Amino acid sequence: DIQMTQSPSSVSASVGDRVTITCRASQGINSWLAWYQQKPEKAPKLLIYAASSLQSGVPSRFSGSGSGTDFTLTISSLQPEDFATYYCQQANSFPLTFGPGTKVDIK
Amino acid sequence: QVQLQESGPGLVKPSQTLSLTCTVSGGSISSGSYYWSWIRQPAGKGLEWIGRIYTSGSTNYNPTLKSRVTISVDTSKKQFSLNLSSVTAADTAVYFCARGDSGDYVDYWGQGTLVTVSS
Repeated sequence: DIQMTQSPSSVSASVGDRVTITCRASQGINSWLAWYQQKPEKAPKLLIYAASSLQSGVPSRFSGSGSGTDFTLTISSLQPEDFATYYCQQANSFPLTFGPGTKVDIK
Repeated sequence: QVQLQESGPGLVKPSQTLSLTCTVSGGSISSGSYYWSWIRQPAGKGLEWIGRIYTSGSTNYNPTLKSRVTISVDTSKKQFSLNLSSVTAADTAVYFCARGDSGDYVDYWGQGTLVTVSS
């Protein structure tokens, strides 16, 4: 199985801050990577697919980059509704696997 | 707007079979472009992909659960189902049904249903 790791595990930030979350795959996955946002008691929401493509309806302050084993999710200017947990997911091979999550909370 | 809704018992006894159904509305379940998945999340933990099915009936399962999992689809009812046998407390989780696209990204999720395994 491809193992996904994320750093940091949590980050405290203020509204307006730029936030960067890193995801690393245990082997190369080309650009087969997605990012999801999950708020408490809610289902995850797809933000980014194919490493850098913005899902329809997602604000442009979210962006993704990377390929191979190292990927980044950036929130350019954190908004109050962005406080949540973020997961990466590899779509290169079965079983599909998720990172452990990064919690973004209020500083 | 595609919507998915899980249904099934919220409490299952150890060693029994967990059975959940997902009903799809607002879109076709029969489109060959999509597949239908189950994903679970223990309380306070991360996401675990259980498996998926195409409307052709083709399935893929997580090897860690493969011996206990069956996913099936009923296109006439616009439903797909999960059976997980021989459950233990470790199977206690919120179970999500979801739609995946051709790139294996999950673009629509159900709200999730908590299943507790306890006697």
